[in-house]
Amino acid sequence: NAGVTQTPKFQVLKTGQSMTLQCAQDMNHEYMSWYRQDPGMGLRLIHYSVGAGITDQGEVPNGYNVSRSTTEDFPLRLLSAAPSQTSVYFCASSLRGGEQFFGPGTRLTVL
Amino acid sequence: GESVGLHLPTLSVQEGDNSIINCAYSNSASDYFIWYKQESGKGPQFIIDIRSNMDKRQGQRVTVLLNKTVKHLSLQIAATQPGDSAVYFCAERYSNYQLIWGAGTKLIIKP
Repeated sequence: NAGVTQTPKFQVLKTGQSMTLQCAQDMNHEYMSWYRQDPGMGLRLIHYSVGAGITDQGEVPNGYNVSRSTTEDFPLRLLSAAPSQTSVYFCASSLRGGEQFFGPGTRLTVL
Repeated sequence: GESVGLHLPTLSVQEGDNSIINCAYSNSASDYFIWYKQESGKGPQFIIDIRSNMDKRQGQRVTVLLNKTVKHLSLQIAATQPGDSAVYFCAERYSNYQLIWGAGTKLIIKP
C-alpha cells in the first residue's frame, strides 16, 4: 500500500492564480480531511469528507473548495491564491473514528 | 482556533531521561484522544490513543494518561532517545469524527 499520497510536494503561485492539490489513499478509508499548518503552529482543519459525495467545512474553509467523487481521491482547490494561504498542506485519511494517516504534505508559497 | 498566534512550547530533556509532555483539551464531551509525533519536514505520525473510558494506556516506551476531571492529557516517553526529537501534538475528537488539535510541544533531546 502507498498509504496517503499528495502532489505536488512544492508549489509557488502568484496572487490570484488557482490550483488543485491532489490527495489519494489506497486504504479504502471513508474519512478524508485537509489541514493547513503554518510555521510553528498546530494543524487547522480546512475541509473534510466522511464518504464519497459528502464534504463539509472545517475550521478555516474560506478560499478553498473540495469534492469527493471517489473514495480514493480528495482534491483541494485554491480558487484565487492569496499570500495568507502560504502554508504546508496535509491530507489525512482514516477509518470511521480511528487513527488518521497523513500524507507527506505540500509546501505552498503564494507571492 | 486555539493554535492561532501561539509559538510552540519547548521541552528539553537529557538523553536517557523520561519525558512528560502535557496537553489541556477543551471539550468535556470529547470521547477519544490521540498523540501524534511530527518530525521536521514530515506529516504527523500516530503514537498512541486513549478512549475517554480509560485513565491510562501503555505502548512501547510511551504511556498516555487521561485526567477527565481537569481535562488534561499527558504523554510519557521512557528513556528518551535522539530519535524522539520532534513536535508532539495531542488531538481530541468530539463530533463528526473531527479532530481538534493542540498547538504542539517541541521536544529537544540533549546529548
